[in-house]
Order: sequence, then structure tokens, then C-alpha cells
Amino acid sequence: NAGVTQTPKFRILKIGQSMTLQCTQDMNHNYMYWYRQDPGMGLKLIYYSVGAGITDKGEVPNGYNVSRSTTEDFPLRLELAAPSQTSVYFCASSYPTRQTGSNTEAFFGQGTRLTVV
Amino acid sequence: EDKVVQSPLSLVVHEGDTVTLNCSYEVTNFRSLLWYKQEKKAPTFLFMLTSSGIEKKSGRLSSILDKKELFSILNITATQTGDSAVYLCALSRGNQFYFGTGTSLTVIP
Repeated sequence: NAGVTQTPKFRILKIGQSMTLQCTQDMNHNYMYWYRQDPGMGLKLIYYSVGAGITDKGEVPNGYNVSRSTTEDFPLRLELAAPSQTSVYFCASSYPTRQTGSNTEAFFGQGTRLTVV
Repeated sequence: EDKVVQSPLSLVVHEGDTVTLNCSYEVTNFRSLLWYKQEKKAPTFLFMLTSSGIEKKSGRLSSILDKKELFSILNITATQTGDSAVYLCALSRGNQFYFGTGTSLTVIP
């Protein structure tokens, strides 16, 4: 089972360049998330989606955009890369469970290490 | 403001020691508390706790939630070098997760 797949694993960008981090999941999960993790810090939510066609801002959305045209894919776009966006980016997915009335655990991709120079 | 605080921030122990990691929170109306282990890559799921006072165990790891005092602990007995990692606590409410900053555990041979 592939689970959550992120590409690329590593990327170096110059200031002002743009790129898209790809995320796809094959578990038919409704919910998908993008987090960033800076050294020594926890996970900060950038954007999330509760289903195809629906996206919402998280804690740190500035400088990013997302789309969710299908259940499987949730790409994250950086339009004008800045050094402050140097981080490790994780995509995750989950689905609502009737048993607890909340999410299952989040399933994570392997991460994308992005450096902006 | 919803807050999840983990302590200590970092910990260095010797193999064979027992450690207790703490997660305290100020999140209302959450459904479950989760523990993850992160070893320089994606977090991997350890436990989900939904009820207060019921211990969950997996090998040398165990965890319990206290909804009255608003905290959870993760215990690791007879630590091994493979336990070295960052341990993350998260609360699940609705369709979101609220993560703590993690505890970095280093186990020295």
C-alpha cells in the first residue's frame, strides 16, 4: 500500500522562484493537511481540506496556496519563495470515524525538505 | 487559545532507563489524544487515547490520559538506542489536529 506519497523529497529554490509540492493518497481519505516543521518545533498547519473542492487556511497560510480538485491529490504551491519558507513539509490524510466522532490518526507522507537560498 | 505543551523539551538517558514524557493541553471538546514517534522522517503513529484513566500498552511503551487534570503521559521502560526520536503529542478535534512541539529523546548506549 502506497499510503501518502509526497514529491519531491528534497528541493533547493532561489528566492522568488515558485514550485508545487505534490501530495497524493490512495486511501480514499476525506481529510488532507499540509504542515511545515521547522527545526526543534512541532508541526504547524498551513492548509487543510475536508473534501474535493473545499480548502481552508490553517495557522500559517501566508505565502502558500492549495487546491483539491480530486479526493486523492492535494498540491501545495509556493508562488514567490522566501528564505522563511525553508522547512520540512509534511502532507497528511485522515478520515472521520463514527466510533469516536472525530478523526482517525493522521497518516503522513515522508516529507519534502525545502531550502530557499 | 488552544495549546498543547510537551515536557521536557529534550531528554538524554542511558539504555535501560525508564522515561516519562508529558503532554498537557488547553484544548476543549477534543475527541482523542494521539502520540507519534518521529525519527528524522515522517511521524509514525503510536497510540490514540479517547478515555480517561485507561492505559494503552504496546511492548515497552504505555500511555494514559487524564481528562480531569488535562494531561497525558507516555512511558518507555528499558529504553533502547532505537527509542531515540522526537515524540509528538496531538489532540484531535473535529477535522483538525493540534500538535505539541515534541520531546526529543536521546538514548545513550
